[in-house]
Amino acid sequence: QKEVEQNSGPLSVPEGAIASLNCTYSDRGSQSFFWYRQYSGKSPELIMSIYSNGDKEDGRFTAQLNKASQYVSLLIRDSQPSDSATYLCAVRTNFNKFYFGSGTKLNVKP
Amino acid sequence: SAVISQKPSRDICQRGTSLTIQCQVDSQVTMMFWYRQQPGQSLTLIATANQGSEATYESGFVIDKFPISRPNLTFSTLTVSNMSPEDSSIYLCSVAGRRDLGSYEQYFGPGTRLTVT
Repeated sequence: QKEVEQNSGPLSVPEGAIASLNCTYSDRGSQSFFWYRQYSGKSPELIMSIYSNGDKEDGRFTAQLNKASQYVSLLIRDSQPSDSATYLCAVRTNFNKFYFGSGTKLNVKP
Repeated sequence: SAVISQKPSRDICQRGTSLTIQCQVDSQVTMMFWYRQQPGQSLTLIATANQGSEATYESGFVIDKFPISRPNLTFSTLTVSNMSPEDSSIYLCSVAGRRDLGSYEQYFGPGTRLTVT
């Protein structure tokens, strides 16, 4: 079992819709949770971090964490074609190990 | 965030040669990592660069092939030794644990695109 699991996609949504990206993790001791956006040919860019159960909002992005279910999600409201990218979920365990999912490719259609 | 620079940004090398990639960050960080990523593929962690001691390598990666140095809290190098075409990839430096902020967020450098002919 992988430490972090994501659907590879592609996930296609129309412009203006809500994109929902999901991630599960296996280590219950994980402390911190991150979402990265990676455009083709570029390095990953940190867009959200979340440390406690519940929702965290930043502009059009909302990260959701449920430690009991070992589940992290990222919602992108009013999706734009510029949001088309691969989204990586990452966790930090209590031993300062970072694990990345393989990423979900998002396509936002104009 | 952290400002990370990598040199070179890209290079084309002949098989059998070695290339050293430099990573510089603008603030002291606890952790520095080296990743490899093939186009369209996920990140693969090569090793954690430890300041003042030998790097910690992941399964499948060895020091003789990928020697790493980390002389201080803001700088690290990765050498790709005795290169073959299979080493063609993007190499990424990342940092985490900014000491001034007490945070654990991980940030990536712009990457080095290596092509071995």
